[in-house]
Amino acid sequence: DQQVKQNSPSLSVQEGRISILNCDYTNSMFDYFLWYKKYPAEGPTFLISISSIKDKNEDGRFTVFLNKSAKHLSLHIVPSQPGDSAVYFCAASDSGGGADGLTFGKGTHLIIQP
Amino acid sequence: DAGVIQSPRHEVTEMGQEVTLRCKPISGHNSLFWYRQTMMRGLELLIYFNNNVPIDDSGMPEDRFSAKMPNASFSTLKIQPSEPRDSAVYFCASSLLASQETQYFGPGTRLLVL
Repeated sequence: DQQVKQNSPSLSVQEGRISILNCDYTNSMFDYFLWYKKYPAEGPTFLISISSIKDKNEDGRFTVFLNKSAKHLSLHIVPSQPGDSAVYFCAASDSGGGADGLTFGKGTHLIIQP
Repeated sequence: DAGVIQSPRHEVTEMGQEVTLRCKPISGHNSLFWYRQTMMRGLELLIYFNNNVPIDDSGMPEDRFSAKMPNASFSTLKIQPSEPRDSAVYFCASSLLASQETQYFGPGTRLLVL
């Protein structure tokens, strides 16, 4: 039973265009969401996060949108660059208080075409 | 500043052998997490520690798996005896002890059990 779902295993986008990666979750107790980026043979690297009290968080070319009623979040990358080619993981936690483990989606492989 | 350090980076062993994976968290971080990544199940939380105390080990697949954190700067994940289905990439991550704190991942240990 996957609590965090990334339904697109891969996505191909042209350089300079917008990349939109989607993520759905089922656990209504999740209140903190993160996106991680992973290159081959490396560990996941934190990209951006959003708390459930917000619906948008922006950091440079990266923006995360949260729609709590739909239990959906998305990551927008604009403009997309070749270095953005990687696997992107959506993660969520029920933070409550204190550090908690993350529940990850299975990832979306983003390919930026030159 | 050094990130999360994991050793070994690669491990090949035979079924039935004991395997020990090691992790050194980021200095000052007091939460430590062990994750496993497989093709079938993606990234899964195995166990996490806050202030060296195991908080949630519900993700540990079987009694063959055990984890310890004897001090704030070292943790081990042991598999005894190992089986071919344990083949995966094992990641260690650390964070500050507070809710909604970013977890920083190590490079992972790629384990192959023959």
